[in-house]
Amino acid sequence: SQTIHQWPATLVQPVGSPLSLECTVEGTSNPNLYWYRQAAGRGLQLLFYSVGIGQISSEVPQNLSASRPQDRQFILSSKKLLLSDSGFYLCAWSQTIGYGYTFGSGTRLTVV
Amino acid sequence: TQLLEQSPQFLSIQEGENLTVYCNSSSVFSSLQWYRQEPGEGPVLLVTVVTGGEVKKLKRLTFQFGDARKDSSLHITAAQPGDTGLYLCAGARETSGSRLTFGEGTQLTVNP
Repeated sequence: SQTIHQWPATLVQPVGSPLSLECTVEGTSNPNLYWYRQAAGRGLQLLFYSVGIGQISSEVPQNLSASRPQDRQFILSSKKLLLSDSGFYLCAWSQTIGYGYTFGSGTRLTVV
Repeated sequence: TQLLEQSPQFLSIQEGENLTVYCNSSSVFSSLQWYRQEPGEGPVLLVTVVTGGEVKKLKRLTFQFGDARKDSSLHITAAQPGDTGLYLCAGARETSGSRLTFGEGTQLTVNP
């Protein structure tokens, strides 16, 4: 069966510090991978998606970047965090176009 | 402009009551999904509907996709405290590949 792992679960970082959030998928190959950000109790904003190794598409201009160094690994990064980067970050994968996403358990990032 | 409008944003009801959550758009979707999310966790897929007019049932939950594939509803019968959570609809459009567009969510609280 397929599983998705996302870590860390919580993170408190000072303004201006770097960020690296990691997401890995097991039990499948060539998944579509996504990074979302969620404001408290609200909908999800797509940040990045990837359909293959080294292929990254950005949905909104921001202080963040993403990389996919391996087929089932997706990394969200920042060189210098801003206060506005605080939020709940979710990684997800899907196999079939237009069908259900499986989400990781999320990372609560607080920038102080 | 939000592509998918969910209503109501907040709903607080007593155990045993029925409720309906709506997801509306002016755009046509190739498929539409409903997710439920609990605090501090990632959303979990409940159902995917793909055919206009389609109705799916999941125990006490009934999902309907509009005939024109622009809207959907989620009806819960005899709500229980365990139904409490954030309900999110998400639509896939043929022009967007596998990327989903999420609504802002409906926060449901079922009081015992």
